Amino acid sequence: DGGITQSPKYLFRKEGQNVTLSCEQNLNHDAMYWYRQDPGQGLRLIYYSQIVNDFQKGDIAEGYSVSREKKESFPLTVTSAQKNPTAFYLCASSLRAARGSYNEQFFGPGTRLTVL
Amino acid sequence: GENVEQHPSTLSVQEGDSAVIKCTYSDSASNYFPWYKQELGKGPQLIIDIRSNVGEKKDQRIAVTLNKTAKHFSLHITETQPEDSAVYFCAARGNTPLVFGKGTRLSVIA
Repeated sequence: DGGITQSPKYLFRKEGQNVTLSCEQNLNHDAMYWYRQDPGQGLRLIYYSQIVNDFQKGDIAEGYSVSREKKESFPLTVTSAQKNPTAFYLCASSLRAARGSYNEQFFGPGTRLTVL
Repeated sequence: GENVEQHPSTLSVQEGDSAVIKCTYSDSASNYFPWYKQELGKGPQLIIDIRSNVGEKKDQRIAVTLNKTAKHFSLHITETQPEDSAVYFCAARGNTPLVFGKGTRLSVIA
C-alpha cells in the first residue's frame, strides 16, 4: 500500500520546546515538501527537497529546519524560534520538482501541532 | 515569484446546481495547474489538473478551463452532491514549486 505517512496525527508541546514531525513516503519520489496550513491562509511552503542531502527554503522557512538523509524520509523540526507554531502541517511528495514538470504532488494526512 | 488569487472564499449551492471557482496567476512561465479537494482533517487530494497547452479538460462532473492570455483558470462542478462539500484549492507551477490559492469552502445544501 503506497503513500505518504505522517505521524503523529495530533501533537502537543510546551512553548519553547523543539518538536520534530515525521514524514515518510514509499512512492520512490525524488521531491518532498513541507507546507503549513492556517485557517484562511491556504498552503504555504516551508521547505522542499529535490534530492537526498539537498533542500531549499520556501516562503516561510524561519523557525523551521529539515533534513533529507534518506529518499523516503523528510522530517521537519519546529524550533523554539518559530513564533506561532500552532498549525496543521502537511507533507507532500512528487516524482520530480524539476522546473516546468507536470508531476502530480501527493499529500500526506497531516499533523496538527498545538503549542501550549 | 508566482502569486495565485482564488475566488470566492466561500460558496454555497443547492444540490444539483453547478459550482464555479476561479483563480488567477501572475507568472506567465507557469504551465501546470492542478486542483485539490480537502476534506476536514485530511490532506488535499488532486481531483483534476491541466497543462498550459490545453484549454479545457473534463472528468465526469468536473471540468477545468484555462485562459493563458488572461492568466486565469476555473474549476466547474456540475450536478453538485453533498459529498462535494469540502475546501478546494487551485495551484500553479512554473519555475518554482506549486503555489496555492487560499482555498474555497464549498457547501452543497441538500
